[in-house]
Amino acid sequence: AQKVTQAQTEISVVEKEDVTLDCVYETRDTTYYLFWYKQPPSGELVFLIRRNSFDEQNEISGRYSWNFQKSTSSFNFTITASQVVDSAVYFCALSQAYNNAGNMLTFGGGTRLMVKP
Amino acid sequence: DSGVTQTPKHLITATGQRVTLRCSPRSGDLSVYWYQQSLDQGLQFLIQYYNGEERAKGNILERFSAQQFPDLHSELNLSSLELGDSALYFCASSARGMTGELFFGEGSRLTVL
Repeated sequence: AQKVTQAQTEISVVEKEDVTLDCVYETRDTTYYLFWYKQPPSGELVFLIRRNSFDEQNEISGRYSWNFQKSTSSFNFTITASQVVDSAVYFCALSQAYNNAGNMLTFGGGTRLMVKP
Repeated sequence: DSGVTQTPKHLITATGQRVTLRCSPRSGDLSVYWYQQSLDQGLQFLIQYYNGEERAKGNILERFSAQQFPDLHSELNLSSLELGDSALYFCASSARGMTGELFFGEGSRLTVL
């Protein structure tokens, strides 16, 4: 069985602070995908990143960065110099990586990030 | 705008009733997924269709059913509704090969009274 845990249910920061959202996962598969999705107040989920379990390189995209550590089964997400527009619920997700199962996502409970001006 | 269209956006109905949620995927996407988001269960995968055929099933109740039509739009049918079915129902679509990169609609919020 797969499981994703986001221990932080809510985080509040002041604009320009850096913030890290934690994600810990459990899976028996040796090959899998990890994801982050953003759910802004408008409601729709927006894809942010996908990471293959074979690729442990960290990734940076603008103010966003992701730290994948297989040894600790973690896939943490850091926002540098946070902005009010970053306020949203962020979901970490996991999927198997065979056949077409890659799109059956197991989501964590989400972390609500509030960035105050 | 993800390109995925869901109707209705909001729906209020009574226990025991039946409702149909509709989804139009992004142009060119053959796969459609349904997810349920509730306070109790979080975000849960319900079912996937690919080019009209059911491909995968998740935690979908027997009272729920879905189908994908030749024009690739999909419908999720919820029957014998219970209070606990109140949730946000998302439809998503994906391009072939883009594993896990789902494009979600804005959701249909169902309230069962």
